[in-house]
Amino acid sequence: DAGVTQSPTHLIKTRGQQVTLRCSPKSGHDTVSWYQQALGQGPQFIFQYYEEEERQRGNFPDRFSGHQFPNYSSELNVNALLLGDSALYLCASSPPGRMDGYTFGSGTRLTVV
Amino acid sequence: GDSVTQMEGPVTLSEEAFLTINCTYTATGYPSLFWYVQYPGEGLQLLLKATKADDKGSNKGFEATYRKETTSFHLEKGSVQVSDSAVYFCALSDSGGYNKLIFGAGTRLAVHP
Repeated sequence: DAGVTQSPTHLIKTRGQQVTLRCSPKSGHDTVSWYQQALGQGPQFIFQYYEEEERQRGNFPDRFSGHQFPNYSSELNVNALLLGDSALYLCASSPPGRMDGYTFGSGTRLTVV
Repeated sequence: GDSVTQMEGPVTLSEEAFLTINCTYTATGYPSLFWYVQYPGEGLQLLLKATKADDKGSNKGFEATYRKETTSFHLEKGSVQVSDSAVYFCALSDSGGYNKLIFGAGTRLAVHP
């Protein structure tokens, strides 16, 4: 049974560009959350998607947006990239009714130059 | 708001030594508490959890007890192995919303033979 799958694993972008990261949740999971982990820090909550809508959002600017598709997969979009957006972006999924049963993917390492 | 504080690392131990990583939290409600582990180049893996006061979570020789009176959830292991070398994150599940996770900054553990 595949866990949470994220793509790509690594990418490099230039300041001002836009990026899209993708996440496929674990089978049977319907809720997807995104976290940003800067080097040497703990993950910070970006937002959570459920039933194709953003249900909760952390303290991130509007440059960060997302989407959830009918098959529960999700995308994270970041516009107007800044050097400070360089981080590991983690996707976590959880099953229906168990919002503390998170499974994390291996992450996408984004480097902004 | 809710927050998690954990001891700074790195923690360096010899194989078979006793491990304690301290974690304290601040929360307005009754959160669930977690320890996650991150191996180099990987995402987060749930190590153990506790959902209410006085619960003890345990897994792979690690254990932690939810202490409401001291707002703590310290991680312990009686005899560490080289393979335990990783970064350990304490986290709480925000009980006021949709249970987003709030993480500490992480503690790096290095175990030497």
